[in-house]
Amino acid sequence: DTEVTQTPKHLVMGMTNKKSLKCEQHMGHRAMYWYKQKAKKPPELMFVYSYEKLSINESVPSRFSPECPNSSLLNLHLHALQPEDSALYLCASSQVNMGFRANEKLFFGSGTQLSVL
Amino acid sequence: AQTVTQSQPEMSVQEAETVTLSCTYDTSENNYYLFWYKQPPSRQMILVIRQEAYKQQNATENRFSVNFQKAAKSFSLKISDSQLGDTAMYFCAPQAGGTSYGKLTFGQGTILTVHP
Repeated sequence: DTEVTQTPKHLVMGMTNKKSLKCEQHMGHRAMYWYKQKAKKPPELMFVYSYEKLSINESVPSRFSPECPNSSLLNLHLHALQPEDSALYLCASSQVNMGFRANEKLFFGSGTQLSVL
Repeated sequence: AQTVTQSQPEMSVQEAETVTLSCTYDTSENNYYLFWYKQPPSRQMILVIRQEAYKQQNATENRFSVNFQKAAKSFSLKISDSQLGDTAMYFCAPQAGGTSYGKLTFGQGTILTVHP
């Protein structure tokens, strides 16, 4: 199994809603990542988890709350989002954190397309 | 800090022809790696090829090869015998070794369209 699975594929939410994005991998990877991507732009790193601990937070607003309950699962909890948060949210994983081994290959999911109304 | 420049926002090529995507970067690191990722319409980013900066030999993966010019800080991707499935957005990304950041800095991307 070399897949990173993200659910849901599409999500529409209001600015007062609370929702969660889910990411799962069963490759035994110990690093997991959240990226945000606007249309026709490169992905921008949001968070990195390494061995289930948050190792990088790229100054992301607190309305985005990541969680890594175990080595296979990564969640992104959303609350009080703004319309400008509408984007594709990509999850990725690698065997170890790219900070430890820089030539690590990232495995990406297909993303969750989020629309905030 | 690293900067990446992909100067071709969009390119097109006929099926079976060869196309080269350019990438230049700037880094103060001596030890680093370079990656090309593609993002087809399915939205899933896929690693195309990677190059270790201390290796002089250019990396090759089937129809994909790189032209790595370390002194010029250039890392172009050549796609031979282009196929319709190569239609995607391509991102160049350097990654420094020996840092604690683990960040991958993507260029702005090149949208490649392969025409039948």
